[in-house]
Amino acid sequence: GENVEQHPSTLSVQEGDSAVIKCTYSDSASNYFPWYKQELGKRPQLIIDIRSNVGEKKDQRIAVTLNKTAKHFSLHITETQPEDSAVYFCAASKAGNTPLVFGKGTRLSVIA
Amino acid sequence: EAGVVQSPRYKIIEKKQPVAFWCNPISGHNTLYWYLQNLGQGPELLIRYENEEAVDDSQLPKDRFSAERLKGVDSTLKIQPAELGDSAVYLCASSLGGSGEAFFGQGTRLTVV
Repeated sequence: GENVEQHPSTLSVQEGDSAVIKCTYSDSASNYFPWYKQELGKRPQLIIDIRSNVGEKKDQRIAVTLNKTAKHFSLHITETQPEDSAVYFCAASKAGNTPLVFGKGTRLSVIA
Repeated sequence: EAGVVQSPRYKIIEKKQPVAFWCNPISGHNTLYWYLQNLGQGPELLIRYENEEAVDDSQLPKDRFSAERLKGVDSTLKIQPAELGDSAVYLCASSLGGSGEAFFGQGTRLTVV
């Protein structure tokens, strides 16, 4: 089955700096890669996703890149703000066929 | 549009007691998932339903856990008897067809004492 590795487990950045979180997956048939943000005591919320037919997707300060050959994808947050502080999870699946398999999460702290 | 609704939000029970969680998915979403989230970890799949059929339950500890999704809408997850190690957050999620996008409920935080 699918296995998703995520690193780093914790990340601290100064406000205004960029943050990068990286994930690798094992199943080359996976074609859907979402990123979720989870604030303390709240539900995981989808912030951006990418499908295997594109290499990059951007939404304001957030971008995701996908390298299918290397089986890794990354989340990039620019101009970080204190409200970006949360735990971020990457996941992978074969959309519509298999459930999401999650990484272990990255705790991002943005220091004002 | 209402999101995924779960109840209760919190539950404290003594070990060996039974407990049940309820989930109402987003209207029209045919796929429903139950995930387990331990502290500091990512969600782990327990069971996936396509309409009323459980299509992926290999990670569900069937000796003590059971689930049902009557009429392909609401779902319940039950633990009987609960053990100390079952303390965790139980998340329900739903998705529409083959989109892959999963929307999560607030979760039920279970504490077994």
